[in-house]
Amino acid sequence: GESVGLHLPTLSVQEGDNSIINCAYSNSASDYFIWYKQESGKGPQFIIDIRSNMDKRQGQRVTVLLNKTVKHLSLQIAATQPGDSAVYFCAEKKGNTGKLIFGQGTTLQVKP
Amino acid sequence: AAGVIQSPRHLIKEKRETATLKCYPIPRHDTVYWYQQGPGQDPQFLISFYEKMQSDKGSIPDRFSAQQFSDYHSELNMSSLELGDSALYFCASSPLGTGREAFFGQGTRLTVV
Repeated sequence: GESVGLHLPTLSVQEGDNSIINCAYSNSASDYFIWYKQESGKGPQFIIDIRSNMDKRQGQRVTVLLNKTVKHLSLQIAATQPGDSAVYFCAEKKGNTGKLIFGQGTTLQVKP
Repeated sequence: AAGVIQSPRHLIKEKRETATLKCYPIPRHDTVYWYQQGPGQDPQFLISFYEKMQSDKGSIPDRFSAQQFSDYHSELNMSSLELGDSALYFCASSPLGTGREAFFGQGTRLTVV
């Protein structure tokens, strides 16, 4: 079925280092992708999105890369901070009214 | 800025009881999504509405139903509750006509005892 999978369940990085969180998606028809950050007991928080007609998009300290050839998505966080510690999910969508499908989250742990 | 509002934040029900969860989307958002998230799990899509019509359906049990009202708020009705229904239930909304940038509420934690 439709699924979005993440390669690593937990990523541990040192404060100040860059983090890269990966995601593999299976539906080649998906045309929109979002990265979410979820802290314990809270709702997923929108970080950054990218449409399928792009291969890179930058935000503040974050960059999303999309490789449609291998159906791979990544989130890069520059100068990782303790406040970045959370579970990160990628999600994919097809069309304006399509459902948003989440992949398995990656827990990011930032060591001071 | 206004966010997605969900109520109640916490709910405790007994088995076989009924629960109603409410979601108030961000103003001028016309698409609402409902998700269920178990402990340590990714959010599972339940159902979505676009312009008050059901737009998509996921793994929503027949015991659950939902609707979107004329003011765009949505309600998730859950009947014959089971212990396995205990989870976080999130609602998200997307802006007019785009279906993009889904923003989530803080969720309702449902505990079935």
